[in-house]
Amino acid sequence: GAVVSQHPSWVICKSGTSVKIECRSLDFQATTMFWYRQFPKQSLMLMATSNEGSKATYEQGVEKDKFLINHASLTLSTLTVTSAHPEDSSFYICSAREGRNEQFFGPGTRLTVL
Amino acid sequence: SQKIEQNSEALNIQEGKTATLTCNYTNYSPAYLQWYRQDPGRGPVFLLLIRENEKEKRKERLKVTFDTTLKQSLFHITASQPADSATYLCALAAGGTSYGKLTFGQGTILTVHP
Repeated sequence: GAVVSQHPSWVICKSGTSVKIECRSLDFQATTMFWYRQFPKQSLMLMATSNEGSKATYEQGVEKDKFLINHASLTLSTLTVTSAHPEDSSFYICSAREGRNEQFFGPGTRLTVL
Repeated sequence: SQKIEQNSEALNIQEGKTATLTCNYTNYSPAYLQWYRQDPGRGPVFLLLIRENEKEKRKERLKVTFDTTLKQSLFHITASQPADSATYLCALAAGGTSYGKLTFGQGTILTVHP
């Protein structure tokens, strides 16, 4: 149990385009989902927290207009990187939590912006 | 400001020995603490959770302790195996209105030599 999937696992895009990443909880209802970013040889940095049906809460320094988060159902959240630039290249990881239980992480999405 | 430190960036041990990883924190009162394993290019995998009112938790060859006075958690892997080689992350979970929001340490790269 407690499986979280992400799609795609990797994506390469041109500068200026938008990329959507999906995060799904496969066998539980994720009342809260989190999006993290991880640069090489660094730890995970929380970008935003989203609760199903409400607006995401962004961490300081994360542009909400650039990183659009939608948590429309209890099993799906999406992160859209708008007008991507090379500095947005990173490993994006989502996690999901049911109620007050522990967070389970997806396998991550490697984004490369050319 | 809040600070989480994992004692060493890298730890090398011989197969069969016990690996001990340390996580120290300052300016933080976590509701609970979690340990994760992360392999290269993958998302973190949940290992153990220990709450602020618990002293010790065990799961198979894994043991975690939590000392809120010392502000420290120790993570032990007994009878270590080469397959245990990975990066291990400690994460502190906030309480209150931000319940469950995780802040990660920088990780310790464990290498178990045959």
